[in-house]
Amino acid sequence: DIQMTQSPASLSASLGETVTIECLASEDIYSNLAWYQQKPGKSPQLLIYYANSLNDGVPSRFSGSGSGTQYSLKINSLQSEDVSIYFCQQNYDSPPTFGGGTKLELK
Amino acid sequence: QVQLKESGPGLVQPSQTLSLTCTVSGFSLTSYNVHWVRQPPGKGLEWMGVIWSGGNTDYNSALKPRLSISRDTSKSQVFLTMNSLQTEDTGIYYCNRNWDGGYFDFWGPGTMVTVSS
Repeated sequence: DIQMTQSPASLSASLGETVTIECLASEDIYSNLAWYQQKPGKSPQLLIYYANSLNDGVPSRFSGSGSGTQYSLKINSLQSEDVSIYFCQQNYDSPPTFGGGTKLELK
Repeated sequence: QVQLKESGPGLVQPSQTLSLTCTVSGFSLTSYNVHWVRQPPGKGLEWMGVIWSGGNTDYNSALKPRLSISRDTSKSQVFLTMNSLQTEDTGIYYCNRNWDGGYFDFWGPGTMVTVSS
């Protein structure tokens, strides 16, 4: 199975700040990567797919980038509603596998 | 609109069998794949298995001996059955959907399963 390693595990940032979350795959996943946002008590929601495509309705302050084994999620101008846990997921090979998650809190 | 909703017993005794139902609306089970993903309390997401739009299934190799996924397309329902439950199976169980080669674009709200005597 492809292992997905996210960093950091937790992150504290101020309103208006820019934050970046990293995801490292154990092998090349050819940009077959998604990012999900899970707000407290809710199910995960698709933010970004194919590494850099924004899902419908997702604010443009979210962006994804990367290739090969290294990917990142960037949130510009952090808002209070962005407090969540973020997961990456590879879709290149079966089984689909997730990163361990990054918990984003407000400072 | 697209919706998925999980339902199940909530509490299961150790060594017993878990049965969950995912009821979908707004799309056809013959056009989309339905997956089950679980999340232990305070932890990450684990893919459990899938029933493909064509009706075939695939399972997480770690769960395969205990897990079965089936469906009733006439009722728009997908079923998960897992036997020999242990306390480590406690968590939130989600169903979601994707298209072939695609991502999990809609998820159910999840159902909490507690394994305890």
